[in-house]
Amino acid sequence: DAKTTQPTSMDCAEGRAANLPCNHSTISGNEYVYWYRQIHSQGPQYIIHGLKNNETNEMASLIITEDRKSSTLILPHATLRDTAVYYCIALLSGGYQKVTFGTGTKLQVIP
Amino acid sequence: EPEVTQTPSHQVTQMGQEVILRCVPISNHLYFYWYRQILGQKVEFLVSFYNNEISEKSEIFDDQFSVERPDGSNFTLKIRSTKLEDSAMYFCASTGGFYNEQFFGPGTRLTVL
Repeated sequence: DAKTTQPTSMDCAEGRAANLPCNHSTISGNEYVYWYRQIHSQGPQYIIHGLKNNETNEMASLIITEDRKSSTLILPHATLRDTAVYYCIALLSGGYQKVTFGTGTKLQVIP
Repeated sequence: EPEVTQTPSHQVTQMGQEVILRCVPISNHLYFYWYRQILGQKVEFLVSFYNNEISEKSEIFDDQFSVERPDGSNFTLKIRSTKLEDSAMYFCASTGGFYNEQFFGPGTRLTVL
């Protein structure tokens, strides 16, 4: 799996968009970009994934650069409940793949 | 919405005792996993399970650990003789297949005294 690099921490004002960057310059052509988050002491939660097109679901949007070397997770209107550690992971598709969690970005949403 | 459940939420045991952590994955899922998280550290992969056998295991998953899917719904992690360093949150996860969106349970906090 390709290595990903994320900032250690970020703050975001409540109600504003949270933009979480991730670098994955060594990603291979068949690796997807996955985002998970972990709210304090809870189980990790899947957010979104993409290969090369931008993706949107009810939780977030994922913007992947054309060269696929970086991506941004966007939480459009951050709430206090979005305070969590966010993990960007490059992963082959296929259900058997284990998820290797790094240290992620600690997002603090501020009232 | 279907979810992964785990029991118990908290298990306290004495060093050297056996523990069994239980998970009920989402019903139509095919791949099952155990992860653990020592307090303040990363979530670490332990083992994956598919078609009634282990697909992959980490170096943490030594002979003291075993997994089983005894009845088609439960998925268990057994630690044969617990050590102090086994104290951690243990998360079960499952996925239906191709896109690998793993759904995690709420975890079991294991405390070994």
